[in-house]
Amino acid sequence: DAGVIQSPRHEVTEMGQEVTLRCKPISGHDYLFWYRQTMMRGLELLIYFNNNVPIDDSGMPEDRFSAKMPNASFSTLKIQPSEPRDSAVYFCASSFLVPSGNTIYFGEGSWLTVV
Amino acid sequence: QKEVEQDPGPLSVPEGAIVSLNCTYSNSAFQYFMWYRQYSRKGPELLMYTYSSGNKEDGRFTAQVDKSSKYISLFIRDSQPSDSATYLCAMSSPSGGSYIPTFGRGTSLIVHP
Repeated sequence: DAGVIQSPRHEVTEMGQEVTLRCKPISGHDYLFWYRQTMMRGLELLIYFNNNVPIDDSGMPEDRFSAKMPNASFSTLKIQPSEPRDSAVYFCASSFLVPSGNTIYFGEGSWLTVV
Repeated sequence: QKEVEQDPGPLSVPEGAIVSLNCTYSNSAFQYFMWYRQYSRKGPELLMYTYSSGNKEDGRFTAQVDKSSKYISLFIRDSQPSDSATYLCAMSSPSGGSYIPTFGRGTSLIVHP
């Protein structure tokens, strides 16, 4: 399996622009997660889906952030309008969430810089 | 107080040293304890997991859980420069039937030759 695939790997955008991050989870996984990682806050869970349905979006920082999962093989995280404080690495991850193992597979991240 | 506390480091050690990485937590419902390793500019990858208390060994790595103290550790024996990475602890409980892990901030480890 190719693993979790994210695009773009790097994005530099101007403040106020819309940013769309994309993710293809591992085939067959029923959970999909979006995380944000910064030096100050570490790894933060933004939102997660189970069988394409958003379950918990309490980590989404503001209404400027939205996420969708239209089917089992694709998800997007959108920031509109973007702000410099949104600069971070955004990880998509997928998993079977069963008690044993609990392995969450991460993509390589989308490095976002908002100037 | 965050649910999971982890010193961000960096921790710098010479090659061959024994490394001890630690996390404390406040939620006594946590049952599964994991360590993820994250190389620079990569996503985290699961290194080890343990259930409840006790030790688990995998090669040079040993994971230890002390639920009475709410304290977990990862020991690395004979550390190598290739072990240089950020190590994140994570823990989960069956809250609501799911096991969504809570991550620590990660400890940056540098092993110098």
